[in-house]
Amino acid sequence: GAVVSQHPSWVICKSGTSVKIECRSLDFQATTMFWYRQFPKQSLMLMATSNEGSKATYEQGVEKDKFLINHASLTLSTLTVTSAHPEDSSFYICSAVSPGFEAFFGQGTRLTVV
Amino acid sequence: GQQLNQSPQSMFIQEGEDVSMNCTSSSIFNTWLWYKQDPGEGPVLLIALYKAGELTSNGRLTAQFGITRKDSFLNISASIPSDVGIYFCAGANTGTASKLTFGTGTRLQVTL
Repeated sequence: GAVVSQHPSWVICKSGTSVKIECRSLDFQATTMFWYRQFPKQSLMLMATSNEGSKATYEQGVEKDKFLINHASLTLSTLTVTSAHPEDSSFYICSAVSPGFEAFFGQGTRLTVV
Repeated sequence: GQQLNQSPQSMFIQEGEDVSMNCTSSSIFNTWLWYKQDPGEGPVLLIALYKAGELTSNGRLTAQFGITRKDSFLNISASIPSDVGIYFCAGANTGTASKLTFGTGTRLQVTL
């Protein structure tokens, strides 16, 4: 099946710093990617829709200035958590939509802000 | 954001038993999907359903797209230890390019 790769798998950062997470579709081009956040023992909550070549669309309640999304190419979307705080600690997961309109998920990135 | 309600929340079953879980929504979806998530990993697609009333199997897994388009069911037959994990349903609508609304999840634990 199609492969979507996230990097890093886990990251620990100091409060106030910024962290960048990459999502790559390895064997197909994805004009649309999605970013989800998952807190422990909870479901995945959609944060934003990342569209190649245009601005991301954010879900209600998600701060666009805090969670910067860049979809600069058809195989790469990045999520930057700016000025991270402990409450931003979570599991961040991306999905990439294939030309056949199937969504394939990355393996997730566990962010811990200390 | 909206979430789909899944039940049960969790279940402990013995190896070899059959498992059933369901997912309900207050709104209609044109596509229903079932995913399995292992700890520290992203979800992996198990079954996709595209038509109301559709019944689809994938090995020991069988899923159905409810006639009302507001629910879906997943059955696992003859469970094995590697079935352990969290199962999520997800709904999508045509034209949303796989923008998914996820269910609350069902945690499955299988004992020998």
